[in-house]
Amino acid sequence: NAGVTQTPKFQVLKTGQSMTLQCAQDMNHEYMSWYRQDPGMGLRLIHYSVGAGITDQGEVPNGYNVSRSTTEDFPLRLLSAAPSQTSVYFCASSFMKGNEQFFGPGTRLTVL
Amino acid sequence: KQEVTQIPAALSVPEGENLVLNCSFTDSAIYNLQWFRQDPGKGLTSLLLIQSSQREQTSGRLNASLDKSSGRSTLYIAASQPGDSATYLCAVYSGGGADGLTFGKGTHLIIQP
Repeated sequence: NAGVTQTPKFQVLKTGQSMTLQCAQDMNHEYMSWYRQDPGMGLRLIHYSVGAGITDQGEVPNGYNVSRSTTEDFPLRLLSAAPSQTSVYFCASSFMKGNEQFFGPGTRLTVL
Repeated sequence: KQEVTQIPAALSVPEGENLVLNCSFTDSAIYNLQWFRQDPGKGLTSLLLIQSSQREQTSGRLNASLDKSSGRSTLYIAASQPGDSATYLCAVYSGGGADGLTFGKGTHLIIQP
């Protein structure tokens, strides 16, 4: 099993550009989520999904969009990047919500 | 709103010592608590998951305890090694609302050879 995979590992964007951060898991987990990690702030929940076709907002959802068309994939879209979105983004999954969560290696995003 | 605090923020100890990392949370109505390790520039590795009905969990040299009523958890590391150097994160799952983990800011641990 590859576990939770994320692409790309690094990305630099200009303000106003859009992009999609990819996340996939091969463990047949129903629950998937996105977090951002900022210095001094800890990890904060952006969006989550309890199964294919179901998504919901976390603590800091503004400026981000998600969809869950398959069990395996949970992409995170930045529609119009802003410098405040410079961060490290982590995707996580678990068998069901509330179970042990497993994290991907992260995507380091810089918005100029 | 659930808040998680980890003390100390940083810790440096000689190799071989036993040590304790602390985690506290403001709302005792949690389902479980998870301890993670994060190496520089890497993702999070799950160490231990304690359900709200449990008092402790052990994995190798690691032992995590949970006192739900007082809102506290500790991670005990026995016979520390330089390879244990990392940031240790505590996270609680409370369910409801924003249905994910609430994290502390971590304890940065350095084990001196």
